[in-house]
Amino acid sequence: IQMTQSPSSLSASVGDRVTITCRASQDIRRDLAWFQQHPGKAPKRLIYGASTLHSGVPSRFSGSGSGTEFTLTISSLQPEDFATYVCQQHHAYPTFGQGTRVEVK
Amino acid sequence: QVQLVQSGIEMKKPGATVKVSCKASGYKFVDYGISWVRQAPGQGLEWMGWLSPYNGKTDYVQRFQGRVTMTTDTPTSTAYMELRSLTSDDTAVYYCARDWGLIKSGGVVDYWGQGTLVTVSS
Repeated sequence: IQMTQSPSSLSASVGDRVTITCRASQDIRRDLAWFQQHPGKAPKRLIYGASTLHSGVPSRFSGSGSGTEFTLTISSLQPEDFATYVCQQHHAYPTFGQGTRVEVK
Repeated sequence: QVQLVQSGIEMKKPGATVKVSCKASGYKFVDYGISWVRQAPGQGLEWMGWLSPYNGKTDYVQRFQGRVTMTTDTPTSTAYMELRSLTSDDTAVYYCARDWGLIKSGGVVDYWGQGTLVTVSS
């Protein structure tokens, strides 16, 4: 199953609302997670089951979608949120999106 | 708290074998699986396979079958990933991650190790 994210990168400012889209090449129901990765660091899970917040993750992060289209929204971007965001499906053998880099505008 | 601590940087020559370790703490090791994921420089994440510390069962991505072996040492709560016949294409950061699949491969991963850089060069 191929996962396609858009955009591949975006520029934003602190306080902005940011939305990232992830599309699956086939129906994956809600078998999707979102990860945040800072350069040189391991991924950190933000969302699982398409919309459930991982323990300790700030509520400004939210996920939605099912089937083939999913979104990750950051309601008010904070300085520590500049990073790469990656979606992952586990409906079949796990595959990851190519990532969306959120950069400082 | 859940922690996965991996072994250090490895430099290998083509054709060699690398074995990366992943020591778990903060949870009961045999209650969760371990997935291995790699990330080549500037590239995306690639899932390699899964193993169950509970029963030793493994599930490898086809492209790595015959070249990878994943094992565990339950008394020390440590998982291992061995990759043989290395080429420059295997240069990557290798991560272990806790997987909620215990009886069969799940791919639902939550906590990750810090990563181990493996460089393959002559």
